[in-house]
Amino acid sequence: GAGVSQSPRYKVAKRGQDVALRCDPISGHVSLFWYQQALGQGPEFLTYFQNEAQLDKSGLPSDRFFAERPEGSVSTLKIQRTQQEDSAVYLCASSLGAWYRDSLPIQYFGAGTRLSVL
Amino acid sequence: SQQGEEDPQALSIQEGENATMNCSYKTSINNLQWYRQNSGRGLVHLILIRSNEREKHSGRLRVTLDTSKKSSSLLITASRAADTASYFCATDAGGNNRLAFGKGNQVVVIP
Repeated sequence: GAGVSQSPRYKVAKRGQDVALRCDPISGHVSLFWYQQALGQGPEFLTYFQNEAQLDKSGLPSDRFFAERPEGSVSTLKIQRTQQEDSAVYLCASSLGAWYRDSLPIQYFGAGTRLSVL
Repeated sequence: SQQGEEDPQALSIQEGENATMNCSYKTSINNLQWYRQNSGRGLVHLILIRSNEREKHSGRLRVTLDTSKKSSSLLITASRAADTASYFCATDAGGNNRLAFGKGNQVVVIP
């Protein structure tokens, strides 16, 4: 596709519900990132994939957060038993990959999913 | 944890004026980037400066980098109403090309 696509754009969940957020990266992009952005703050790193391998999940705040990218393209961020503090915008970004000759580590972001936990 | 810290955090200017915002970071970096975020949207890459560069230009944007002070500045010249947005600096200090963002500068350009 032309850009990174995220769905849904908005999600309202009752506390305790499970949610799944989807990210379609730019075709051919090897690297995929998830970030969490609280209101009025900058994005904070959650996890990183290189193709289907999850190479860094150090930013996931708890074991209720789980991300996958089984075929190295579409990624899903799942949050189990949502809590009010999970309310935030979840941003997905993709990039070509650092090992491409002369590539710049520019990340292309989707519009995000705004999650509200009531 | 936030790597960068922008200063000032909110700026209101008249159209045509210049806008300057600063960013500081704590650890060694390979590069520093600036991103723009319009209300309710994702981030858009503006400009990247490598650690061995001191200044870079792109259109109406000028970014400087002082690695000795671990700081960067972004200048937008001849601002337009469409420049109204939040501006974030981001460094690659986290490794794996993950970005560490600052808290952001809110810029309002009044027509």
